[in-house]
Amino acid sequence: EAGVTQFPSHSVIEKGQTVTLRCDPISGHDNLYWYRRVMGKEIKFLLHFVKESKQDESGMPNNRFLAERTGGTYSTLKVQPAELEDSGVYFCASSPHGGARTEAFFGQGTRLTVV
Amino acid sequence: GDSVTQMEGPVTLSEEAFLTINCTYTATGYPSLFWYVQYPGEGLQLLLKATKADDKGSNKGFEATYRKETTSFHLEKGSVQVSDSAVYFCALSDYLSGGGADGLTFGKGTHLIIQP
Repeated sequence: EAGVTQFPSHSVIEKGQTVTLRCDPISGHDNLYWYRRVMGKEIKFLLHFVKESKQDESGMPNNRFLAERTGGTYSTLKVQPAELEDSGVYFCASSPHGGARTEAFFGQGTRLTVV
Repeated sequence: GDSVTQMEGPVTLSEEAFLTINCTYTATGYPSLFWYVQYPGEGLQLLLKATKADDKGSNKGFEATYRKETTSFHLEKGSVQVSDSAVYFCALSDYLSGGGADGLTFGKGTHLIIQP
């Protein structure tokens, strides 16, 4: 069974450009999450989808970030326009059920560098 | 708000040494506690978890006990191997927040290096 996959693995863009990250969750997992790790800091929760609906987007840093999950399958996270402080590793995770005790399965992450 | 504090490292040990990585937390509810591990070039993997006080999670020789009285979840292993070299993240999920793993709160991660 395929795990959570993320594309691209690395992206280097200039400040002001747009970047779109993609996450393919494990098939059948209704719950999809985005996290971000800025260098030297904690992994921070960004948002949570249940199927195609945003359950919790309290961690989204500002309106330059837009996440979508059309059809409840894969998800995209777009940063427009990118700023230097957006650099970091963006992780996606999925889980089959809700609940605080449920294991989340993580992808390898996308390393974004804004120069 | 919720927070997790763990030793940042890097922690360098010799093979077969005893390992302890400290983790303490603050939470508004009754959290579940997790240790995730990230091996070089890979994503985060769940290593072990505990969902209530005094539970002990264990996997691959690693153990951690949920200590509510000291709000701690320290990771231990009796004899580490070179293959254990990785970054280890302590995390919690607050039961009151509901909704699954949303709001997983992580520590900064501990880089563990095991030398042969």
